[in-house]
Amino acid sequence: GESVGLHLPTLSVQEGDNSIINCAYSNSASDYFIWYKQESGKGPQFIIDIRSNMDKRQGQRVTVLLNKTVKHLSLQIAATQPGDSAVYFCAENIDTGGFKTIFGAGTRLFVKA
Amino acid sequence: GAVVSQHPSRVICKSGTSVKIECRSLDFQATTMFWYRQFPKQSLMLMATSNEGSKATYEQGVEKDKFLINHASLTLSTLTVTSAHPEDSSFYICSASRGGQGAFGAFFGQGTRLTVV
Repeated sequence: GESVGLHLPTLSVQEGDNSIINCAYSNSASDYFIWYKQESGKGPQFIIDIRSNMDKRQGQRVTVLLNKTVKHLSLQIAATQPGDSAVYFCAENIDTGGFKTIFGAGTRLFVKA
Repeated sequence: GAVVSQHPSRVICKSGTSVKIECRSLDFQATTMFWYRQFPKQSLMLMATSNEGSKATYEQGVEKDKFLINHASLTLSTLTVTSAHPEDSSFYICSASRGGQGAFGAFFGQGTRLTVV
């Protein structure tokens, strides 16, 4: 079936440390993945994306890794800051003639000062 | 990035009444808009996909007669929750896309908190 899920529901890190948030997906035909950040009471905010022909993509303080062999995504946040505290979702774009974005379960990141 | 605006951000309505939520793409033409529902501490669940000028495509288990979607223009889609009940209380979020086949991640609105009393 089509699903995207996460290994860890919560993650607590010390300010300044690196964070790694993991995600598994099941649709091997998916070719585009996105990480979103959601703060309380707000809509998801785009962080970074990656296409299936890549295995790594870097942004500002964030890196997404894609392992198609085991259908696994991860989001790495360097030097985590209190403002990074939020829920993070991986999402998968499924092409059904147009496309739709299906979300995983989410991981809540707590950053301890 | 592109801007998607939802209105209202919060609404409280009485059980049995209908509520309309608007989703606008402010600086681009959105050929496709998506509506999601999110319950507390849960993920976003896709309800339906709407394409401008055509009928919405609803996900399995979503009642099309209860959640009416209209996408009359390239910048506006509306979701009407008809005969709302307390179990419809949720956070409703729209997203908009320029289209293409998997080329773009969609841009999200700020969400609408619906409380049915």
